[in-house]
Amino acid sequence: DGGITQSPKYLFRKEGQNVTLSCEQNLNHDAMYWYRQDPGQGLRLIYYSQIVNDFQKGDIAEGYSVSREKKESFPLTVTSAQKNPTAFYLCASKGFGSGANVLTFGAGSRLTVL
Amino acid sequence: EDQVTQSPEALRLQEGESSSLNCSYTVSGLRGLFWYRQDPGKGPEFLFTLYSAGEEKEKERLKATLTKKESFLHITAPKPEDSATYLCAVQPYQAGTALIFGKGTTLSVSS
Repeated sequence: DGGITQSPKYLFRKEGQNVTLSCEQNLNHDAMYWYRQDPGQGLRLIYYSQIVNDFQKGDIAEGYSVSREKKESFPLTVTSAQKNPTAFYLCASKGFGSGANVLTFGAGSRLTVL
Repeated sequence: EDQVTQSPEALRLQEGESSSLNCSYTVSGLRGLFWYRQDPGKGPEFLFTLYSAGEEKEKERLKATLTKKESFLHITAPKPEDSATYLCAVQPYQAGTALIFGKGTTLSVSS
C-alpha cells in the first residue's frame, strides 16, 4: 500500500546534539512538507519542497535543515540551534492534478530533549 | 494575514448528542478548505475538501459545510469512536502556498 513512512517514531536527544528524522513516501508525490505540532498549537510549517533539489523555509525554519535529493525522501535535521525541539513532527506529501490538493500525512515522530 | 480559528477548543458530548464544530478563516483567496481527523499520537487523516461557498460533503455521521467566511463540521448522533481532534486547514489561492492550519477542536464522546 502507498503511504508515508516516518522514522523513528520516538527519539530522545541530549542538548547540543543534532538529530535527523526520516520521511519516505511511495505515493509518487512531488511536494513534501514538514510540520511541527505542540500541545494546544496548530500545525506549524517548518520546510517544504515542491521538486527535487529545491526547498523553501516555512514559518519556523530556524534551527532546522532539510534536503531533497530524491523524490521519495525528505529528511529533517533538528540542529543544536533549535532552542526548544521537544515536539511531535509530521511529514506530509501532496501530488499535483485532479484531487491532488489533499495532504497525506505520516504517523509522526516524537522528539524529546533530555 | 491569512489565519484560521477553530472553536470551541474542546467539546464534550454524550453519545447521540449532535453538535457542530466551527472553523472561521481569513484568507486573500480560497483555493480550498480541508478537514482532518487526528487521533492521539498519530498523523492527521483526511476527511473532506470544500472548494466553494454553499458546498456540502458527508461521510457517515459527519457533514461539512462552507460559507465565504467559515466552515462547520456537523456531527450527528456521535459515538465514542468519533472522539478525536478535528483540524481545519485552508489553502490560499496563491500558487505554491502551503496549507494553513487551525489549532483544532478536541472532541470527547462518552457513552
